[in-house]
Amino acid sequence: GQNIDQPTEMTATEGAIVQINCTYQTSGFNGLFWYQQHAGEAPTFLSYNVLDGLEEKGRFSSFLSRSKGYSYLLLKELQMKDSASYLCAVRDRSTGGFKTIFGAGTRLFVKA
Amino acid sequence: SAVISQKPSRDICQRGTSLTIQCQVDSQVTMMFWYRQQPGQSLTLIATANQGSEATYESGFVIDKFPISRPNLTFSTLTVSNMSPEDSSIYLCSVVTLGELFFGEGSRLTVL
Repeated sequence: GQNIDQPTEMTATEGAIVQINCTYQTSGFNGLFWYQQHAGEAPTFLSYNVLDGLEEKGRFSSFLSRSKGYSYLLLKELQMKDSASYLCAVRDRSTGGFKTIFGAGTRLFVKA
Repeated sequence: SAVISQKPSRDICQRGTSLTIQCQVDSQVTMMFWYRQQPGQSLTLIATANQGSEATYESGFVIDKFPISRPNLTFSTLTVSNMSPEDSSIYLCSVVTLGELFFGEGSRLTVL
């Protein structure tokens, strides 16, 4: 089976940097995603890592270590609009198909 | 990217009735999935909609309760059968295009 762990909530200050961690266990790892979801809206894609290392995209960066089953999402220069849930998701192919399993999400509160 | 249209966007249903949600994609896609997001929760995969064959259901979900059709590579339906208040949730259609998982806007169902 799969298991994905991330913190339930985090609070950070506008303009600061925040790192949201995610650990996972899966037998058929085929990539890790980060999504942002504002209340009442569908999730929107932020990043995809399949190889080890850091992927940078503007104010958002995502890191992956496959040997450690670990990823983080780094948000720089936080803005109030970054207050949202951040979902870590793992693509798994152990059952013969490809499916993406989501963690419980981390609710980020950005304060002034 | 893929443009995914879901209908209805929201509905209020009576206990014991059934509702079919439609998902239309603007391009042919191999993989389509149905997720459920209960209030305050993350996304839970219901099933993979397979074109031309029966859907593949995740643990805890059965075809009698959530029948799925996938007549072609751009369209799928999910039916929520014999609804109860516990089925009140957002149901999301998603597709994989160029390695990324995209979501429709979701169908918010409230069961009274």
